[in-house]
Amino acid sequence: EPEVTQTPSHQVTQMGQEVILRCVPISNHLYFYWYRQILGQKVEFLVSFYNNEISEKSEIFDDQFSVERPDGSNFTLKIRSTKLEDSAMYFCASSEKGRDGKLFFGSGTQLSVL
Amino acid sequence: QQPVQSPQAVILREGEDAVINCSSSKALYSVHWYRQKHGEAPVFLMILLKGGEQKGHEKISASFNEKKQQSSLYLTASQLSYSGTYFCGTRTDSWGKLQFGAGTQVVVTP
Repeated sequence: EPEVTQTPSHQVTQMGQEVILRCVPISNHLYFYWYRQILGQKVEFLVSFYNNEISEKSEIFDDQFSVERPDGSNFTLKIRSTKLEDSAMYFCASSEKGRDGKLFFGSGTQLSVL
Repeated sequence: QQPVQSPQAVILREGEDAVINCSSSKALYSVHWYRQKHGEAPVFLMILLKGGEQKGHEKISASFNEKKQQSSLYLTASQLSYSGTYFCGTRTDSWGKLQFGAGTQVVVTP
């Protein structure tokens, strides 16, 4: 079965550094998402992306965050200047349909900001 | 507005049943259910659209009461493999973001 691939699986960075989290969505999917989950807590919506632009974003997704689809296969989340509170598991998800579409999640990138 | 799930956790013996509830203060267009095992990504179980339909996946089924803005997930004759955290995700319109509840941790013991 096709799957969403995320790299790296773990990322450790110093506060203030930039990180880029990478995702390869399922090839025929058109809708892409980033969610994050702080340890033991709920899965929080960050941003949705369709047709090369952001469809919707949450209040968490401030100017420090950006997303990009640099080519036909990758979908990236950049955090410009990481903070301690950015430490979380970041999940990428993709969907074939925006409307009523089920989300396929990647296995996540565990980001630790020191 | 994120949905509210209850209970926070439930412990079952194999073969027992459980119900997980998901409610919203806003009118819902659809409800998704996902299961996450420890250290893994959430995995899709089912979608329910407004209309009060009921769906099933193995011996896991769900209902959606749009008047009450509530969905319930039914774990019937639970198996060890049902252990995990169950999240409901809700949309208030067909194109809106999918927002998840805090999750219900289910532990099924032999």
